[in-house]
Amino acid sequence: DQQVKQNSPSLSVQEGRISILNCDYTNSMFDYFLWYKKYPAEGPTFLISISSIKDKNEDGRFTVFLNKSAKHLSLHIVPSQPGDSAVYFCATQDPLSYGGSQGNLIFGKGTKLSVKP
Amino acid sequence: DAGITQSPRHKVTETGTPVTLRCHQTENHRYMYWYRQDPGHGLRLIHYSYGVKDTDKGEVSDGYSVSRSKTEDFLLTLESATSSQTSVYFCAIRQTYEQYFGPGTRLTVT
Repeated sequence: DQQVKQNSPSLSVQEGRISILNCDYTNSMFDYFLWYKKYPAEGPTFLISISSIKDKNEDGRFTVFLNKSAKHLSLHIVPSQPGDSAVYFCATQDPLSYGGSQGNLIFGKGTKLSVKP
Repeated sequence: DAGITQSPRHKVTETGTPVTLRCHQTENHRYMYWYRQDPGHGLRLIHYSYGVKDTDKGEVSDGYSVSRSKTEDFLLTLESATSSQTSVYFCAIRQTYEQYFGPGTRLTVT
């Protein structure tokens, strides 16, 4: 069973508008969340993260919102640019790995964002 | 750039042959990880290491082994490659709470 779900495989947005990428999780023990961006033929790159003690974290055009009661987080990109076109992965730290502080991540399947000029 | 390189970047091999992928890091990170990425599956953890000679299994470890004899190198071995192991393999290091990834190795098993 998926513990981290990105239910939209793809999203298309016009340049300059807002992109909203969604992620749901199943385990209320998850307390740290990350977003990664991946271009074709490259490794994923870390984008932004949020701890469960916050409900919002902002970095430039990127904002992540966390709704713990709904077990839902979202990544907002404003304004969207064609260079933002990539696959976005939501991830969380596996609490079962905390005992050894291994920091293992559990990833969603990704959402492919296309920003059209 | 977390100073991670992977080799080879591309490899085509035949079913039943052994394959070793190498991950090299230059910044002395303790934790290293191997993932595979497949369409419809996202990134899945194969094995990880928390120090020299200290390794453990991830979600999809069957058919894979790893070794870490030096801090800077983490090797992933497919003892007898199968077509189901055709994938893109990513190595990562951990820095505080985030992981940083290498450029990937595209492996095709024919």
